[in-house]
Amino acid sequence: GENVEQHPSTLSVQEGDSAVIKCTYSDSASNYFPWYKQELGKGPQLIIDIRSNVGEKKDQRIAVTLNKTAKHFSLHITETQPEDSAVYFCASFILTGGGNKLTFGTGTQLKVEL
Amino acid sequence: DAGITQSPRHKVTETGTPVTLRCHQTENHRYMYWYRQDPGHGLRLIHYSYGVKDTDKGEVSDGYSVSRSKTEDFLLTLESATSSQTSVYFCAISESGGDEKLFFGSGTQLSVL
Repeated sequence: GENVEQHPSTLSVQEGDSAVIKCTYSDSASNYFPWYKQELGKGPQLIIDIRSNVGEKKDQRIAVTLNKTAKHFSLHITETQPEDSAVYFCASFILTGGGNKLTFGTGTQLKVEL
Repeated sequence: DAGITQSPRHKVTETGTPVTLRCHQTENHRYMYWYRQDPGHGLRLIHYSYGVKDTDKGEVSDGYSVSRSKTEDFLLTLESATSSQTSVYFCAISESGGDEKLFFGSGTQLSVL
């Protein structure tokens, strides 16, 4: 089945710096890649997603890039702020005959220091 | 925020006891999911439902059962709780079950002693 690896598990940056989180997936049939942000004590929330027919997508300070050949995708956060501190999860989605499957990475704890 | 309510928010129980967690939605979404979240494992799907009385297993379904008698309610039952089921449980909903946004509840912290 699909395997999603996420790195790093923890990331500490200074306010104003950029943060990059990387994920790799194993199944070339994966066609949808969402990123979720989870704040302490809350459920995950979708922050950005990208589909396999697009190489890059940007939403203000957040961007996601996808390299289908290498089977990896990354989340880029620029001009980090304290409110960006959270756990971030990547995921990959496959549409199969046995049912749709969304596989999550293991998460990255991002800490933005003042 | 999507209208998803999980209850209880916290529960402590003993090994061998039955436990039921409830997820209630007001969005009239067809698909509902139960995930568990554990350090080092991310979010793993336990069971999901694609309609009233229509459910299927996820990747970690052993020891869990679910029921959906109404569109708005999805119940997760641990028939005989074990310490390995200590976890944070999240309910999620989506409209079509495809490549789309999931809306998550706030979670239930379950401790099995």
